[in-house]
Amino acid sequence: AQSVSQHNHHVILSEAASLELGCNYSYGGTVNLFWYVQYPGQHLQLLLKYFSGDPLVKGIKGFEAEFIKSKFSFNLRKPSVQWSDTAEYFCAVIPRSGIQGAQKLVFGQGTRLTINP
Amino acid sequence: DAGVIQSPRHEVTEMGQEVTLRCKPISGHDYLFWYRQTMMRGLELLIYFNNNVPIDDSGMPEDRFSAKMPNASFSTLKIQPSEPRDSAVYFCASTKGWYGGSSYNEQFFGPGTRLTVL
Repeated sequence: AQSVSQHNHHVILSEAASLELGCNYSYGGTVNLFWYVQYPGQHLQLLLKYFSGDPLVKGIKGFEAEFIKSKFSFNLRKPSVQWSDTAEYFCAVIPRSGIQGAQKLVFGQGTRLTINP
Repeated sequence: DAGVIQSPRHEVTEMGQEVTLRCKPISGHDYLFWYRQTMMRGLELLIYFNNNVPIDDSGMPEDRFSAKMPNASFSTLKIQPSEPRDSAVYFCASTKGWYGGSSYNEQFFGPGTRLTVL
């Protein structure tokens, strides 16, 4: 079965620090990859997604992620974080099996990010 | 569009009571997903529907849980009887399925229902 690992459970940074959150998945085939963010008390929102093409994808609010196929990784980065980035971040994967319609997102356990002002 | 709508936002009930959570997906979306989020287990998919038909309910924890989608604009998740270990935030999400190409439509999440079973 597919699985997603987020190695950092809780990350604490100061404002203006650089951020990198790790995400690794286990699946031998082609996948679509996502990062979702959940601000305190709110629902999940899509930050960015990768389907194909340039492995460096840019999302909202200055976030970007790089897909490294050989490492089965899709790490999230931001060069300079802000207090408002305090949230929980989820990596998610869908195996691209060729089945049309929609399939299950497999989520990682999430990484809680705390930014100190 | 108002987005995915869930009700109630908070529910506190006593063990043994029946709980019904409600979801209205985004108009035009043909897939609906129910998730449960807890500190211990993270975000888990419980069940999902396509065109009102349940496709995969392998994530439903046990027979106490049931979900229905009587029409394209409404779904319920019912727990009967409820237990303290059911305390969690339950999210509903919807998407429009893709039918060709390499793209995929994102899932849009509702605000969640925070369930507390005493």
